[in-house]
Amino acid sequence: GDSVTQMEGPVTLSEEAFLTINCTYTATGYPSLFWYVQYPGEGLQLLLKATKADDKGSNKGFEATYRKETTSFHLEKGSVQVSDSAVYFCALVMYSGGGADGLTFGKGTHLIIQP
Amino acid sequence: DSGVTQTPKHLITATGQRVTLRCSPRSGDLSVYWYQQSLDQGLQFLIQYYNGEERAKGNILERFSAQQFPDLHSELNLSSLELGDSALYFCASSPRQGPKNIQYFGAGTRLSVL
Repeated sequence: GDSVTQMEGPVTLSEEAFLTINCTYTATGYPSLFWYVQYPGEGLQLLLKATKADDKGSNKGFEATYRKETTSFHLEKGSVQVSDSAVYFCALVMYSGGGADGLTFGKGTHLIIQP
Repeated sequence: DSGVTQTPKHLITATGQRVTLRCSPRSGDLSVYWYQQSLDQGLQFLIQYYNGEERAKGNILERFSAQQFPDLHSELNLSSLELGDSALYFCASSPRQGPKNIQYFGAGTRLSVL
């Protein structure tokens, strides 16, 4: 079945450091890809998405590019802040008709930014 | 605030019991999804409803069931509870289906089975 693999961490960085969180996927077709973020005690929030190959999703300084050739969707940010500390989830959905679109998630990456 | 409301926030119960989790989707959203988040399994899709009809099933146990009512709110019923059912249960809603669809998540219900 479809699956998502991401580094689990925790990943600890200093403020203003460059961030990369790797995400690769396995799917039978061409899924849509997402990054969600979960702050402590809260639900998941969509951070960015890409629905086809070579699309770049971006939001709040975060970026990720849908790479079909490497089946990857790595999350990057040029300069992280303490407020970026959270758990980040990579996810995919395959649209196979019939309207079924439950998300398949990676295990999540816990990011800790130190001042 | 995503606009998705889940109640209760916390639930503590005993093994063998039955509980009901409730979800009110964002105004106008027709799709409702249920997910389970646990330490060992991570985030797993359980079930999806669209405008009252079941659309898809994921890793949902036979002891679990759900429904979506005419006013579009949804309930997840968990029965014969086991210790391993302790988890955070999320509801999400979305306005439509397809590649441009975005799911909006509630804050979750934390279930503790003792």
